[in-house]
This record gives sequence, structure tokens and C-alpha cells, in this order.
Amino acid sequence: DAEITQSPRHKITETGRQVTLACHQTWNHNNMFWYRQDLGHGLRLIHYSYGVQDTNKGEVSDGYSVSRSNTEDLPLTLESAASSQTSVYFCASSESKTGGETQYFGPGTRLLVL
Amino acid sequence: AQSVTQLGSHVSVSEGALVLLRCNYSSSVPPYLFWYVQYPNQGLQLLLKYTSAATLVKGINGFEAEFKKSETSFHLTKPSAHMSDAAEYFCAVTFTGFQKLVFGTGTRLLVSP
Repeated sequence: DAEITQSPRHKITETGRQVTLACHQTWNHNNMFWYRQDLGHGLRLIHYSYGVQDTNKGEVSDGYSVSRSNTEDLPLTLESAASSQTSVYFCASSESKTGGETQYFGPGTRLLVL
Repeated sequence: AQSVTQLGSHVSVSEGALVLLRCNYSSSVPPYLFWYVQYPNQGLQLLLKYTSAATLVKGINGFEAEFKKSETSFHLTKPSAHMSDAAEYFCAVTFTGFQKLVFGTGTRLLVSP
């Protein structure tokens, strides 16, 4: 079965360190998304990609970067981790740009920045 | 700009009672609306979605939602709550040509025996 996986599932890091969270999907979807989930805020969009070599900033992109070199993967990099980036991160994918397309979510990565 | 408001961060019901989770949206163009469910330590799973076909949408696990344009609402209901329904529920909106979901802040459903 097609799926979307994230690794690691849990991560503890220190302030100032670079951290990369992996996202891999086997749906062969064109679109991929990164969200962060924080209490009282729901999910907020960090970055998204509509295809290989395409990346776009979302609502809360400061301090984060992504690159899309193939269809399956969209790694999220925290350039210099800050305590404010302690959160749960979700990756999602969808097939087309039609507004009604379902996004499929990974299991999440829980990141703690000390 | 689009936005979603979910009234009530927590809703408590007894097993067998009606579940009603409220969602109101703001959009200047016809919206697509979604309800997702999140069980503890898991990702989000689609419950149902409105894509401009029937206004009453039926989803998984006995849930349904009705799109009411005049009230800008998309409330989620289930006639009889089950213990397994305890989870967090998110309403989200997007529109034609764009895939960026805008989420509400979520409602945690608590079900007591």
C-alpha cells in the first residue's frame, strides 16, 4: 500500500544546531507539504511543493527550508534550531492542484529544541 | 483571506449522545471544506470533504457534515457517540486552484461512559 513516512519520529536537539526532518511518500503525488502543529494554533503551513524543483513559502516559513530533488521526498531543514521551533511536524501529500484534493498525512515528528 | 473558526476547544459527550462539532469559515470564493480526525500520537486522517456536489456529506465512522452557504458553516455531526470517537477534530478550507489548507485550531472530543 502507498504511504507517507517521516523520520525520525522523535528528535531532541540543541539551540543553534541544524536539523533535517525526512518525509518520503510512495503515492507518486506531485504535491507535498510541511505543517507544524502547536496547541491553540492547529496546523500551520511551513513550506510546500507542487513538483520537482518547485518550492514555496507558507505561513510560518522563517527559519525553515526545503528542497525537492525527486517526486518522493521533501526534507525539511531547520537552519539553526530555536526553542520556538519545538513542535510536532507533519508532512502531507496530494495528487493534483485541484482545490478539493485530499491531503494524506504522515505520522508526524516530535521535535524538542533545548 | 480564508479562515476557519472552530467553536469550543473541548466538547464532552456521553456515549450514545449526539456529537456536534462546529466549524465556520470565511472565504471570498466558493470553498472546499474538510474534516480531519487525529487520534493520539498519530497523523491526520480524512473524515469527509465538501467539493461543491451534495451539501450533505457523509464520511467514515458514521460522521456527516452539512455545507450551509448562508450560515458559512460546515458542522460535523454523529447521531450516537462511541468511546472510539474520542480524538481531536480539525476543520480546514481551501479553494479552486490551490492546495494550501487553512486549518481551524481543533476541537478535542471527550466521550464518557
